[in-house]
Amino acid sequence: QQQVKQSPQSLIVQKGGISIINCAYENTAFDYFPWYQQFPGKGPALLIAIRPDVSEKKEGRFTISFNKSAKQFSLHIMDSQPGDSATYFCAALNSGYALNFGKGTSLLVTP
Amino acid sequence: DTGVSQDPRHKITKRGQNVTFRCDPISEHNRLYWYRQTLGQGPEFLTYFQNEAQLEKSRLLSDRFSAERPKGSFSTLEIQRTEQGDSAMYLCASSLVAPLREQFFGPGTRLTVL
Repeated sequence: QQQVKQSPQSLIVQKGGISIINCAYENTAFDYFPWYQQFPGKGPALLIAIRPDVSEKKEGRFTISFNKSAKQFSLHIMDSQPGDSATYFCAALNSGYALNFGKGTSLLVTP
Repeated sequence: DTGVSQDPRHKITKRGQNVTFRCDPISEHNRLYWYRQTLGQGPEFLTYFQNEAQLEKSRLLSDRFSAERPKGSFSTLEIQRTEQGDSAMYLCASSLVAPLREQFFGPGTRLTVL
């Protein structure tokens, strides 16, 4: 049973545009929400993470928006670049140990 | 390099053979995790260690799978009598204990069972 639902499955954005990936969860015990970037044949790399006591966190071109009441969070990539083309995973963690991942979004940024 | 390392990066084996993978975590991290990732899916949790103690195992970890972390440093994951369904990327991650719970992943070991 998928505890974190991610959309869209794939996304094509022009260079310089904004990429937006959305995730939703049901388990209100989740209290840590990271985003990972994964290139083919590589392990996931931690991009940015947020806790539910804040509504937004920005690091460089990457921003997480968090809506606790709707149980949704999203990743915005500003000024998207071809080098951002990768698969992005949202995840959620409660006070335990196991990250619960979404199914991933394949992002292609065209020149 | 102070990141998580895994060895080997690729492993091809025949059905029924045993395989063992190694993970070296970030040196000061006392938690170590194993995940499995199949094509087009996100990683799925298998098991984790705090120091040398294995504290949790997923129901995905059948009896053919065993993991160890004998001295609280590196870890090994062994799969006995491999099956074609075991073909996947096996990922290792490490972290500190809470409150800093960021999990950092290694490059993975790609297993292909023929």
